[in-house]
Amino acid sequence: AQSVTQPDIHITVSEGASLELRCNYSYGATPYLFWYVQSPGQGLQLLLKYFSGDTLVQGIKGFEAEFKRSQSSFNLRKPSVHWSDAAEYFCAVGAGQGAQKLVFGQGTRLTINP
Amino acid sequence: GAVVSQHPSRVICKSGTSVKIECRSLDFQATTMFWYRQFPKQSLMLMATSNEGSKATYEQGVEKDKFLINHASLTLSTLTVTSAHPEDSSFYICSAGGDSTDTQYFGPGTRLTVL
Repeated sequence: AQSVTQPDIHITVSEGASLELRCNYSYGATPYLFWYVQSPGQGLQLLLKYFSGDTLVQGIKGFEAEFKRSQSSFNLRKPSVHWSDAAEYFCAVGAGQGAQKLVFGQGTRLTINP
Repeated sequence: GAVVSQHPSRVICKSGTSVKIECRSLDFQATTMFWYRQFPKQSLMLMATSNEGSKATYEQGVEKDKFLINHASLTLSTLTVTSAHPEDSSFYICSAGGDSTDTQYFGPGTRLTVL
């Protein structure tokens, strides 16, 4: 069965600083990988996804993620964060087609210092 | 991306009553819809998967008689929490999939409070 680990429960960075959120997955085949962002009291918004091909994936809001099969990782990065990036970030892995069941990591709460 | 709506966004009910939550895909036909539950400061836990016209598939530990799911059309799925109790208070989120992007799109969630 697939699983996702986000080692960092809470991260604080200063506005303008770079960001990396870690995600490690466990899955026997080629995974479908996703990053979602959730603002307080809201649903989830898709930031980016990886199905196949180029391992560096560009998403919305200036985010990118890199799939590293050897490390079973799919870390999310942003070169310069904005105060509006403060939110909860979830990494998820899907089995087979992306519209199938997703398993989510525990989430990483991002706080931005002014 | 595709848009998924949920209604209501917030509901407060008395213990013992039933509550229905609607999930709609507004601009695509969702062959599959998912229902998640999220406790405060925790991740999403999948409750069930529903395919249009079929019975829902429930995850282990989820009571199918308590959480009734109906996926009557390609744009609408409903979750009914029957005989709600305070421990059912939670944030319920639906998602819809099945368009050409192989991606799940999430609704804004419904905050259920059972008094």
